[in-house]
Amino acid sequence: GNSVTQMEGPVTLSEEAFLTINCTYTATGYPSLFWYVQYPGEGLQLLLKATKADDKGSNKGFEATYRKETTSFHLEKGSVQVSDSAVYFCALGRQLTFGSGTQLTVLP
Amino acid sequence: GAGVSQSPSNKVTEKGKDVELRCDPISGHTALYWYRQSLGQGLEFLIYFQGNSAPDKSGLPSDRFSAERTGGSVSTLTIQRTQQEDSAVYLCASSSRQGEFGYTFGSGTRLTVV
Repeated sequence: GNSVTQMEGPVTLSEEAFLTINCTYTATGYPSLFWYVQYPGEGLQLLLKATKADDKGSNKGFEATYRKETTSFHLEKGSVQVSDSAVYFCALGRQLTFGSGTQLTVLP
Repeated sequence: GAGVSQSPSNKVTEKGKDVELRCDPISGHTALYWYRQSLGQGLEFLIYFQGNSAPDKSGLPSDRFSAERTGGSVSTLTIQRTQQEDSAVYLCASSSRQGEFGYTFGSGTRLTVV
């Protein structure tokens, strides 16, 4: 079956630091891949997606590339802000198999 | 509606009682999903509806859990004889297609069984 392995947190960074949150997956076929974000006190929001190999999803300065050869979909941002503090979830497929989530805290 | 609406936002119930959780998806969204978010278990898929049918119920943890959807719109998740381990946030999501382009989530119902 499908599974997602996500970098464990928590991750604490200073403002303007570079962010990488690792995500690897096991799946049958080539499912769509997603990153969702959950800000404090709010619901899950779709951050970005990629529907096929080599696609790059991007939104709000975040990027992730669908890597078939390494079965990965790592989330990156070049310069994080305090407002990026949230829990980030990697997910795949139509039924959304989720990773365990990574808590990010950005300090001013 | 503009977003996925869930009610109640919070529910405290006594062990052994039945509860009903409601989800109003975005108008026109044919696919509807229920998930459960709990400490130590992360986000778990419960059930998927396409229209009023549930092609995948594989995530329902026991026969105490059931769900229905009527008119291709509102869905109700029912938990009978609640147990303390049922305490979690129950999330509903909807999509205009079968999830290929992402889902819109509601804010969830926080269920506490005491």
